[in-house]
Amino acid sequence: DTGVSQNPRHKITKRGQNVTFRCDPISEHNRLYWYRQTLGQGPEFLTYFQNEAQLEKSRLLSDRFSAERPKGSFSTLEIQRTEQGDSAMYLCASSLGTHNEQFFGPGTRLTVL
Amino acid sequence: DQQVKQNSPSLSVQEGRISILNCDYTNSMFDYFLWYKKYPAEGPTFLISISSIKDKNEDGRFTVFLNKSAKHLSLHIVPSQPGDSAVYFCAATKFGGAQKLVFGQGTRLTINP
Repeated sequence: DTGVSQNPRHKITKRGQNVTFRCDPISEHNRLYWYRQTLGQGPEFLTYFQNEAQLEKSRLLSDRFSAERPKGSFSTLEIQRTEQGDSAMYLCASSLGTHNEQFFGPGTRLTVL
Repeated sequence: DQQVKQNSPSLSVQEGRISILNCDYTNSMFDYFLWYKKYPAEGPTFLISISSIKDKNEDGRFTVFLNKSAKHLSLHIVPSQPGDSAVYFCAATKFGGAQKLVFGQGTRLTINP
């Protein structure tokens, strides 16, 4: 299967702990996106990479959030000092730069207790 | 502000009949529109898209219609099948730059046998 993969699928953590999620995009895709989805809402854009460069960040991405994409391959999203409001589904998507269609992974569901 | 709106949280349709899902947008800069389908515990799956230079795009049982003057698009599914039961998200983007997707809140479609 050459789709987008995300790990872990589920993460339960206590408030104040740090968490890190990983996304492996479709191999030939140069663009990688992170979105967050809360209950009853559509996904909301967080940040975007073209190859290894992080080119745009949403105002939703507070300074507790950091994302990297070393060597333009997989990406990690880290949340420091988690808060209960961070509980959500974190989705990763990838695309070819010349196409608008983004292909999503299964998501990581974060629960902050 | 909600730039993409799906005003019907849910829709119930009998198997074999037509399902029509609606979406409105406010940002006239959007020039590409997509529909995604989402099953529980999975990421959104790309379904069909349309560029603003067209008013209709068809793929098998799925047709998307775009009315630019009304800033409205719709997804028609004919005939509806039980496997179509899912949450459907409308998304919009502007070609060039980040091409980030702006999603509606989703419509839960239930196909009844």
